[in-house]
Amino acid sequence: NAGVTQTPKFRVLKTGQSMTLLCAQDMNHEYMYWYRQDPGMGLRLIHYSVGEGTTAKGEVPDGYNVSRLKKQNFLLGLESAAPSQTSVYFCASGSGRSQVETQYFGPGTRLLVL
Amino acid sequence: GQNIDQPTEMTATEGAIVQINCTYQTSGFNGLFWYQQHAGEAPTFLSYNVLDGLEEKGRFSSFLSRSKGYSYLLLKELQMKDSASYLCAVMDSNYQLIWGAGTKLIIKP
Repeated sequence: NAGVTQTPKFRVLKTGQSMTLLCAQDMNHEYMYWYRQDPGMGLRLIHYSVGEGTTAKGEVPDGYNVSRLKKQNFLLGLESAAPSQTSVYFCASGSGRSQVETQYFGPGTRLLVL
Repeated sequence: GQNIDQPTEMTATEGAIVQINCTYQTSGFNGLFWYQQHAGEAPTFLSYNVLDGLEEKGRFSSFLSRSKGYSYLLLKELQMKDSASYLCAVMDSNYQLIWGAGTKLIIKP
């Protein structure tokens, strides 16, 4: 039982390049989330999904896209990376709002955009 | 707007007790969470409060006062491994978690 996994762990991009971050969970959770964490700030929600085939915008969605084609996977895409997207990205999953919504986090992806 | 406030950094001594405060202003309230995050690692769940009062779990306790928009995390018998950041988060009326910036706790021998 791996929990929540993220790939890659670290990536360096040049401005304008694109990439996809992959999140996978094996807990059969309905809800999945993408956050970014920057120094001196709280975790900020980028996009989230309440089930397979559904996605919704969070607090800071601009410059990012997501897809949830399979229940266990949640992909975060950057179409044209900018230095302001340098951050640590965390994926999380949760069972759903009908229960205490404890979120389980992946190990994070450290992204540097030059 | 929505706001979560907690101290940026605190220092305590091994074996002592420390209290980390969190105040919040959110649109709606569906519970308050505390997470622990060691440097370079993912946040991990510590506690959840939805009713007023104290929840105790081993060396860690969490308190909530909804009328005051206030919570604290109490850590007893501090150990060096407790050196970490402690994140306060509130679930708002849309079931979204609003996160504080975290309190970095430094434990000295």
